[in-house]
Amino acid sequence: QKEVEQNSGPLSVPEGAIASLNCTYSDRGSQSFFWYRQYSGKSPELIMFIYSNGDKEDGRFTAQLNKASQYVSLLIRDSQPSDSATYLCAVNTGRRALTFGSGTRLQVQP
Amino acid sequence: ETGVTQTPRHLVMGMTNKKSLKCEQHLGHNAMYWYKQSAKKPLELMFVYSLEERVENNSVPSRFSPECPNSSHLFLHLHTLQPEDSALYLCASSLEEGLFSGNTIYFGEGSWLTVV
Repeated sequence: QKEVEQNSGPLSVPEGAIASLNCTYSDRGSQSFFWYRQYSGKSPELIMFIYSNGDKEDGRFTAQLNKASQYVSLLIRDSQPSDSATYLCAVNTGRRALTFGSGTRLQVQP
Repeated sequence: ETGVTQTPRHLVMGMTNKKSLKCEQHLGHNAMYWYKQSAKKPLELMFVYSLEERVENNSVPSRFSPECPNSSHLFLHLHTLQPEDSALYLCASSLEEGLFSGNTIYFGEGSWLTVV
């Protein structure tokens, strides 16, 4: 079983819609959770992190965490074509560095 | 200007060559990392340095040799690589090694390596 799993996509949504990106993790002791956005040919950039159960909102982005279900998600409201990128879920499993998923490619259609 | 700078951005090398990737961080962080990103694979952690001391080597082949002369600079020395080593190599830094609330990783732009 992969430590951090994401659907590779592509996830295609129309402009203005809500994009929902999902991630599951295997280590119940995981402490904090991160979402990175990576444009093609670029390095990952941090969007949000969350470490408490529930929702955390930042602008058009909402991260949701459910530790009982070992599930973390990212919602993007009012999706824009500029949101088209690969979204990486990363988990702090207590080791020395983050463990990443393979990423979900999001396409926002104009 | 990014807080983590990598050079070169692109490198093509033969299997018998020796080359190095360089990373410099301007964030005052104490921990630095090398990650490898191959197509359709998760980011793979290679090495972790904390205060210039290597604290993790994630079963990386010896043809990759890291060096951290100080907390701001990190190198990855490459020799006798294989074509399957072609990938994007990402340097990153964080305030401290080990990641707890709010201690996040910041990435450089990456070095695209092609081994021919």
